[in-house]
Amino acid sequence: DGGITQSPKYLFRKEGQNVTLSCEQNLNHDAMYWYRQDPGQGLRLIYYSQIVNDFQKGDIAEGYSVSREKKESFPLTVTSAQKNPTAFYLCASSIVPQGRAGNTIYFGEGSWLTVV
Amino acid sequence: AQSVSQHNHHVILSEAASLELGCNYSYGGTVNLFWYVQYPGQHLQLLLKYFSGDPLVKGIKGFEAEFIKSKFSFNLRKPSVQWSDTAEYFCAVNGGSNYQLIWGAGTKLIIKP
Repeated sequence: DGGITQSPKYLFRKEGQNVTLSCEQNLNHDAMYWYRQDPGQGLRLIYYSQIVNDFQKGDIAEGYSVSREKKESFPLTVTSAQKNPTAFYLCASSIVPQGRAGNTIYFGEGSWLTVV
Repeated sequence: AQSVSQHNHHVILSEAASLELGCNYSYGGTVNLFWYVQYPGQHLQLLLKYFSGDPLVKGIKGFEAEFIKSKFSFNLRKPSVQWSDTAEYFCAVNGGSNYQLIWGAGTKLIIKP
């Protein structure tokens, strides 16, 4: 089945450690995104990529890094510089960049990251 | 800066009640508008969207939304809710030349059987 696969679903990290969240899509979409979702807040964009080997910072990129070496993969690294990393992280993709006419964003199931 | 406001964070209704969830945005130009839904344990998925044309948009599962440009609103409605409509609903807006969707904080809807 086509879709977006995020792993792991649950992850615990010690303070000071970097951790990488995986996101793979087999929808042949050009654009991919990482969002952070906190209780009582809307989704906030961390990074997005419109094409392979290119990515842009979103609203809350500090403390995060990404790569887009392959069309189907867009891993997110939460670094020790991220002050408040405990959150729910959503990966998404779309045929063309979000918001364009006729476009729909598809989401993965999400990854829960807890810093202990 | 663009923003999206969803007025109710939690809504509790009985089955067969009518539903209206508010969504207001702050952008004066041309906008694209979306409602997404997240059922318990499932992915976020598109409920309906508006880009142009008829301001009354029909979505899946009997939902509809009306774009009222003068009020900067895109409220979601359903005449008779079911227990299976229990979910979290997000309004999102894109306006201008950038590629970012701006999201509301979400409304958690609980339908009592």
